[in-house]
Amino acid sequence: QKEVEQNSGPLSVPEGAIASLNCTYSDRGSQSFFWYRQYSGKSPELIMFIYSNGDKEDGRFTAQLNKASQYVSLLIRDSQPSDSATYLCAPKGSSNTGKLIFGQGTTLQVKP
Amino acid sequence: EPEVTQTPSHQVTQMGQEVILRCVPISNHLYFYWYRQILGQKVEFLVSFYNNEISEKSEIFDDQFSVERPDGSNFTLKIRSTKLEDSAMYFCASSGPGVDQPQHFGDGTRLSIL
Repeated sequence: QKEVEQNSGPLSVPEGAIASLNCTYSDRGSQSFFWYRQYSGKSPELIMFIYSNGDKEDGRFTAQLNKASQYVSLLIRDSQPSDSATYLCAPKGSSNTGKLIFGQGTTLQVKP
Repeated sequence: EPEVTQTPSHQVTQMGQEVILRCVPISNHLYFYWYRQILGQKVEFLVSFYNNEISEKSEIFDDQFSVERPDGSNFTLKIRSTKLEDSAMYFCASSGPGVDQPQHFGDGTRLSIL
């Protein structure tokens, strides 16, 4: 079983729609979860982080966490063509050294 | 907004040579990391560094790799005797003051081994 699993996509949504990106993880000790956006050839850019079960909203982005199901998701409302990128799910490992374990990423395409 | 700075942006080196990748973390951060991303693959953890010592390293981080914080601002990754498979993007990241704080990444160094 992979440590962090994401559907590689591409996930294609029309402009203005809601994009839903999902991630499952295997380390039950993970307590902190991060979403990064990566444009082709660029570095990961922090989008959201969540530590507690439930929802966390920041502008057009909502992160959802369910530790019992080992599941974390990212919703992007009113998707824009500029949101087209690869979204990386990165739980922090349970070793408490800060190590992030990245998924393969989901490629999102927002069509005008 | 403070940012992590990496130099050089692109490094081309002959196989077997040594390279040093440099990073200036965000000034009030205490935790420092190196990750790498081979083209088309996922971002992989290499090493974490706190309080002037390695706190965790991955299986990738073998004896050819080393890290150093030579002064109060720089954080370096040295690769001795480079191999073709070391070709990748290398990202430095920092976080703080707590270990659970989000990590901010630099723009990366593209390392090409010939």
